[in-house]
Amino acid sequence: AQTVTQSQPEMSVQEAETVTLSCTYDTSESDYYLFWYKQPPSRQMILVIRQEAYKQQNATENRFSVNFQKAAKSFSLKISDSQLGDAAMYFCAYNRGNEKLTFGTGTRLTIIP
Amino acid sequence: KAGVTQTPRYLIKTRGQQVTLSCSPISGHRSVSWYQQTPGQGLQFLFEYFSETQRNKGNFPGRFSGRQFSNSRSEMNVSTLELGDSALYLCASSLESVSTGELFFGEGSRLTVL
Repeated sequence: AQTVTQSQPEMSVQEAETVTLSCTYDTSESDYYLFWYKQPPSRQMILVIRQEAYKQQNATENRFSVNFQKAAKSFSLKISDSQLGDAAMYFCAYNRGNEKLTFGTGTRLTIIP
Repeated sequence: KAGVTQTPRYLIKTRGQQVTLSCSPISGHRSVSWYQQTPGQGLQFLFEYFSETQRNKGNFPGRFSGRQFSNSRSEMNVSTLELGDSALYLCASSLESVSTGELFFGEGSRLTVL
């Protein structure tokens, strides 16, 4: 069974600084998808960024970028120029094709003004 | 475009009762997934429905069931409630397949079982 591990339950960063959230996963598949979802205190989860395993290029969405290391099964999220609105729970997730999303346990990110 | 709507937002039940939660997906979305979120277990997949058919099912007991209607609206039902069923139940919709990753979540239904 696929598993997703987020080893940092909590992280904090100064406003305008950069922070990296870690995620590792376990799978025997070669073709799959990885995601980072954000859940602000209002609870509505939103997709931050998505990576297809067959693409070597790391995905980027404005201030959010990933470091995808397929061989190491690592998928970290970098947030640049952190803003107060970035404070949330961040979930790493995995899925293969037409299947369920498997989520990690989440990292609570606090932004220090 | 309206987002994913879940009702009710909050509810309190007692052990042994049953509960039905509703989810209206974004217009045009055919896939609806349900997740249970608890502090201890995190986000756990319950089931996914696509065009009124259950496509995937998580590892939950038979007390948890769901269905999807022709207009893509979905309901989940939990019978014989237990204290451990207290959780935030999240519904997510997507246009076609979960694999696109473009899941759009509702704000959830917070169930408390006393």
